[in-house]
Amino acid sequence: GAGVSQSPRYKVAKRGQDVALRCDPISGHVSLFWYQQALGQGPEFLTYFQNEAQLDKSGLPSDRFFAERPEGSVSTLKIQRTQQEDSAVYLCASSLVTETEAFFGQGTRLTVV
Amino acid sequence: DAKTTQPNSMESNEEEPVHLPCNHSTISGTDYIHWYRQLPSQGPEYVIHGLTSNVNNRMASLAIAEDRKSSTLILHRATLRDAAVYYCILRDVGPLRAGNNRKLIWGLGTSLAVNP
Repeated sequence: GAGVSQSPRYKVAKRGQDVALRCDPISGHVSLFWYQQALGQGPEFLTYFQNEAQLDKSGLPSDRFFAERPEGSVSTLKIQRTQQEDSAVYLCASSLVTETEAFFGQGTRLTVV
Repeated sequence: DAKTTQPNSMESNEEEPVHLPCNHSTISGTDYIHWYRQLPSQGPEYVIHGLTSNVNNRMASLAIAEDRKSSTLILHRATLRDAAVYYCILRDVGPLRAGNNRKLIWGLGTSLAVNP
């Protein structure tokens, strides 16, 4: 596709449920970032991949959060045992290399009830 | 990580120029100044970036102070579609090392309202 695609667009999860959020980056983009954006706030960094290697996961808020990019293209952000405080928009961004402009998907809005 | 300071909100009239300021007094030599904007219910969108010299593209202009401690994003003729939150971000492009992975560190941005 022409841009970064994220699915699902909206997700409602019951507290304690596991969720998986998918990101399809622009083809050929080496760098992939995940961000979390709470209502009324700027995005906050979660984790970064260069190809299939996860080079930085310092922003993941707890060990319930896990991200992977096994073949260096599609990435999945998994949240286990969701809590209400996990409710946010999860944004994925990709760039050709790390120094260039980042292209963002529309995000997945997660609501934990 | 270097921080930026922006006004919380600004207002403009349609078809008038808009100057969005950003202060970044702790900027380092390897920090690029990036601007992104986020329309309601959308993911952020790249606007422009620069290092030292002023930059122009089809969306906007970026004016960078000589000491690089501040910059201004200029929208030459605001339209209703320019109503968004504008983020000024410093991105370290120095050698990759622990903690420097080119991630974008976002503040709260400036919410721009455009009046018809």
